[in-house]
Amino acid sequence: AQSVAQPEDQVNVAEGNPLTVKCTYSVSGNPYLFWYVQYPNRGLQFLLKYITGDNLVKGSYGFEAEFNKSQTSFHLKKPSALVSDSALYFCAVRDPDSGNTPLVFGKGTRLSVIA
Amino acid sequence: NAGVMQNPRHLVRRRGQEARLRCSPMKGHSHVYWYRQLPEEGLKFMVYLQKENIIDESGMPKERFSAEFPKEGPSILRIQQVVRGDSAAYFCASSPVGANHEQYFGPGTRLTVT
Repeated sequence: AQSVAQPEDQVNVAEGNPLTVKCTYSVSGNPYLFWYVQYPNRGLQFLLKYITGDNLVKGSYGFEAEFNKSQTSFHLKKPSALVSDSALYFCAVRDPDSGNTPLVFGKGTRLSVIA
Repeated sequence: NAGVMQNPRHLVRRRGQEARLRCSPMKGHSHVYWYRQLPEEGLKFMVYLQKENIIDESGMPKERFSAEFPKEGPSILRIQQVVRGDSAAYFCASSPVGANHEQYFGPGTRLTVT
């Protein structure tokens, strides 16, 4: 069975500093991995995905994520955090051999960027 | 191209009433997913549908909850005889065919049961 772990409920970072939101996954084969962001009282917005190819994936709003197969991780990063990045971030995984099955989401990490 | 649309955005029901939540997927998307989010919690998968078919309802409670995605019209999530524990945000997502595609989410329906 597929699963995702986001070990941190909350991440605090000062504006202008680099940020990392951690995600590890478990899937039988090679995974498809996704990051989403949720602002208060809104739906989830897609940020980026890893399907194949380069391990470093670039996405929206200056975010990037690095796929590390040996560590089964897909951490979300940004070189310089903005106050407007404060939101709830979700990592998700899908087994590519399972077709259009639903994404399996982590429980989310709340990012707080302090001015 | 309009995104995933959900209505109503907010729904208040008294205990014992029925709640109907609607979702119109993005144009060209044939797969619809429903998720539930409780306050300060992550998303819990409920049901996955294609046109006229329920593909996976493993996340749906066995009683009171049902979903459909008819040939014409939006997908409907129906909750009968609502209880206070049903209060949550319900999100719909859609995607085209292909496991490599991300899901696109609607703005959600916030159900409050009084």
